Amino acid sequence: QVQLVQSGAEVKKPGSSVKVSCKAFGGTFTTYAISWVRQAPGQGLEWMGRVIPMFGIAKYAQKLQGRVTITADKSTSTAYMDLSSLRSEDTAVYFCARGIRGGGAYYFDQWGQGTLVTVSS
Amino acid sequence: QSVLTQPPSVSAAPRQKVTISCSGSSSNIGNNNYVSWYQQLPGTAPKLLIYDNDKRPSGIPDRFSGSKSGTSATLGITGLQTGDEADYYCGTWDNSLSAYVFGTGTKVTVL
Repeated sequence: QVQLVQSGAEVKKPGSSVKVSCKAFGGTFTTYAISWVRQAPGQGLEWMGRVIPMFGIAKYAQKLQGRVTITADKSTSTAYMDLSSLRSEDTAVYFCARGIRGGGAYYFDQWGQGTLVTVSS
Repeated sequence: QSVLTQPPSVSAAPRQKVTISCSGSSSNIGNNNYVSWYQQLPGTAPKLLIYDNDKRPSGIPDRFSGSKSGTSATLGITGLQTGDEADYYCGTWDNSLSAYVFGTGTKVTVL
């Protein structure tokens, strides 16, 4: 059973960037997709994008295209989410999640604990 | 704006049943994409409850069930318990957006 452990809370200034990590312990890392999902205070879940560590190929939600970069380091079983040009609306809890895909199926069976990113001047 | 619509809240007394609907379109649920459901207890990460429309992961009690018909899906919870008070989200892939989409979320309250 894989466990996803994320980096700690961050406080950032508007216009800056943040990089959140997600390290996998146990299980297989490279063959699954790792997605990032965020949740603004009191709001619902928003999918940001995903990376398949085996191939290093990333896919992003159109809304965040150009501001978000998702990568994976196979050697350390760690995925990263980098978000630039931060604004107050990016204040949220950011989750990584392991995605299971295939034949029309797509779901997230393991989640990280979440990382609070606060954007404030 | 989410492309999957859920009722904002549902409630029932302990031991009763609730159902939560998830309405989509031909580009997501209606496009033969499987639906999954997640439970989010206050202050915690979401947890997978149902995958592939109606399958339960190991450890999820059979009080939770899922179904899909056309462009909609439904989560059922029977024998409601106070521990079931949480937010519930549906999710699936959207072919038009080429993105994973979540429902708007439903808060379950046990009266």
